[in-house]
Amino acid sequence: DVKVTQSSRYLVKRTGEKVFLECVQDMDHENMFWYRQDPGLGLRLIYFSYDVKMKEKGDIPEGYSVSREKKERFSLILESASTNQTSMYLCASSPNTGYDTEAFFGQGTRLTVV
Amino acid sequence: SQQGEEDPQALSIQEGENATMNCSYKTSINNLQWYRQNSGRGLVHLILIRSNEREKHSGRLRVTLDTSKKSSSLLITASRAADTASYFCATLNTGTASKLTFGTGTRLQVTL
Repeated sequence: DVKVTQSSRYLVKRTGEKVFLECVQDMDHENMFWYRQDPGLGLRLIYFSYDVKMKEKGDIPEGYSVSREKKERFSLILESASTNQTSMYLCASSPNTGYDTEAFFGQGTRLTVV
Repeated sequence: SQQGEEDPQALSIQEGENATMNCSYKTSINNLQWYRQNSGRGLVHLILIRSNEREKHSGRLRVTLDTSKKSSSLLITASRAADTASYFCATLNTGTASKLTFGTGTRLQVTL
């Protein structure tokens, strides 16, 4: 079974802190994603990576950056956390084998910025 | 944003009844997928329908797709309490590589 593991289920950080959210997948998938989920807004794509060291902005990249130094690991970085970044963060991966592929999700990290 | 919308936002039914959720999207697509999310957890893939398909079945799930109306529906037949979850549609839009665009979700409550 594909496994996507996010480093923390719950995280509490202070305003202004630099925050790292880590995601690891074990199925050699080329594509990795970071989504943010807020009530009534569904999932919104923050960043996407289709290969090592490659990244592409999603719909809401402001205030975030990403790093993909190894194929299995995709990190989301909040450069200076703010209270409006309190949210559920979901990492996903998928293979680059054509259009008919599903995404596999981690269990989510609920981040609270105080 | 190309995000779609789902209807209704919330649905409450009794066990044994059928549940229907609708999804509308905005652009041309390669496929449309449905995902399920149990409370506070990650999403799990349920079913995928290609843009050239009109209907697909998987167990108690039936998905329809109408590309002329840019809409899809998910029907869960003979619902169970364990079906209680949030359901999201996601589209793989034409020309956007492997990026999925998700809808806002329908929260389904199935009571005994």
